[in-house]
Amino acid sequence: NAGVMQNPRHLVRRRGQEARLRCSPMKGHSHVYWYRQLPEEGLKFMVYLQKENIIDESGMPKERFSAEFPKEGPSILRIQQVVRGDSAAYFCASSPPKREGYNEQFFGPGTRLTVL
Amino acid sequence: SQELEQSPQSLIVQEGKNLTINCTSSKTLYGLYWYKQKYGEGLIFLMMLQKGGEEKSHEKITAKLDEKKQQSSLHITASQPSHAGIYLCGADGGYQLIWGAGTKLIIKP
Repeated sequence: NAGVMQNPRHLVRRRGQEARLRCSPMKGHSHVYWYRQLPEEGLKFMVYLQKENIIDESGMPKERFSAEFPKEGPSILRIQQVVRGDSAAYFCASSPPKREGYNEQFFGPGTRLTVL
Repeated sequence: SQELEQSPQSLIVQEGKNLTINCTSSKTLYGLYWYKQKYGEGLIFLMMLQKGGEEKSHEKITAKLDEKKQQSSLHITASQPSHAGIYLCGADGGYQLIWGAGTKLIIKP
C-alpha cells in the first residue's frame, strides 16, 4: 500500500509563473489536507478537501492560490503568479473517512517550491 | 484560536542520554498527535493521545498527556542517532491539525 505521493519533490519557478503541486492520497483515503511550512516556521493549515468538494479553505491566501480534488486523479494545489514569499515546503496529508475523535493524518514527502 | 508552544526549540543531546520535549496548549486538547520530521522528508506519525493522564510508548519513546489535557511531553530514553530530527506536536482542531513550531533534536555521537 503506497503512502501519500507528492510530485514534484522540488519545483523552481520564476516570479510571475504558475506552480502546480500534485498529491495522490493513500489508497482508500478520501480526505486531503494541504499544509505550508515556511523556512524556520511550523506547519500551517491551508485547505481541506474531499472528492470534488472544498470543505475548509480558511488557511488559503485569498488570491493566487486554489486547490482541487477531482473525482479522478490527484489533488492539485495551484499557485498563480508566484512571488518570492511563496517559497516554502508544501505538504499534503490524507486520511480515511473521519472517525469521531480521530484525526490521524498521513503525510507525503512534500514539494519544496523555490521562487527565483 | 488554539496555540501550541513547544519547548525547547532545539536540543543537543549526547548519544545514550535521555531527553524530554514539551508541548503546551492554550486550550484543552481533544487529541494530541506527535510526529517526527527529517529534513527533506515528510512527517512520520509517532503517537496519538486523547485521555487525560494517558501514556503511550513505542520502542524508546514515551508520550504523556497530563490530567488537565493541556500539556504533553515526549520522552526519549537512551537516545540514538536515528532519533535526530524535528519533533512536532499537533492538536486536533476539527478538520485540521494545529501545530507547534517544532523541536529540533541533534544527537552528538
